Amino acid sequence: GAVVSQHPSRVICKSGTSVKIECRSLDFQATTMFWYRQFPKKSLMLMATSNEGSKATYEQGVEKDKFLINHASLTLSTLTVTSAHPEDSSFYICSASQGTGFLKQFFGPGTRLTVL
Amino acid sequence: GNSVTQMEGPVTLSEEAFLTINCTYTATGYPSLFWYVQYPGEGLQLLLKATKADDKGSNKGFEATYRKETTSFHLEKGSVQVSDSAVYFCALSDPGIQGAQKLVFGQGTRLTINP
Repeated sequence: GAVVSQHPSRVICKSGTSVKIECRSLDFQATTMFWYRQFPKKSLMLMATSNEGSKATYEQGVEKDKFLINHASLTLSTLTVTSAHPEDSSFYICSASQGTGFLKQFFGPGTRLTVL
Repeated sequence: GNSVTQMEGPVTLSEEAFLTINCTYTATGYPSLFWYVQYPGEGLQLLLKATKADDKGSNKGFEATYRKETTSFHLEKGSVQVSDSAVYFCALSDPGIQGAQKLVFGQGTRLTINP
């Protein structure tokens, strides 16, 4: 099946710094990528949907200036957490789909962010 | 808005036991329903899906039937194996802006199978 990777798998940073997380589709072109956030013992919450070459669509309550998403190519999307604070500590998961509409989404393994 | 509620875990069973993980949903319209599985250290994988009422999704011995009258999509397996140990997520599709289908997830149920 299709493979989606995320890098890094874990990151620890100081409060106030910015952190970039990469999501790559390794063997297919991802027209649409999704970014989720998962709190402990909670469901995955969709943060934003990004289509290659256009601005991301953010879910209600997600600060777009805080969580910068770039989908510059058909195989790479990045999520940058700017001026991170301890409350941003979470598990961030991306998924990739080959088109708009519901086509199968392939999920990355997730990135654990800890902000000290 | 649309939401998914699934059985709280963790669930611990012995090998060859019968498994049920309950999932109920709230939705407007006619969503598709899914079960995803996450094995340790891996990303979520689609386990099975059903796109309309009374459809039964099945894969790897797991089954779930889309019940519109009870708004449920319970996951079942007749005889579990140690290799089934994972976290299971129930989800529904939610048409979003510009037609992008979004997934709404339940909180996940951790399943551990003991030999």
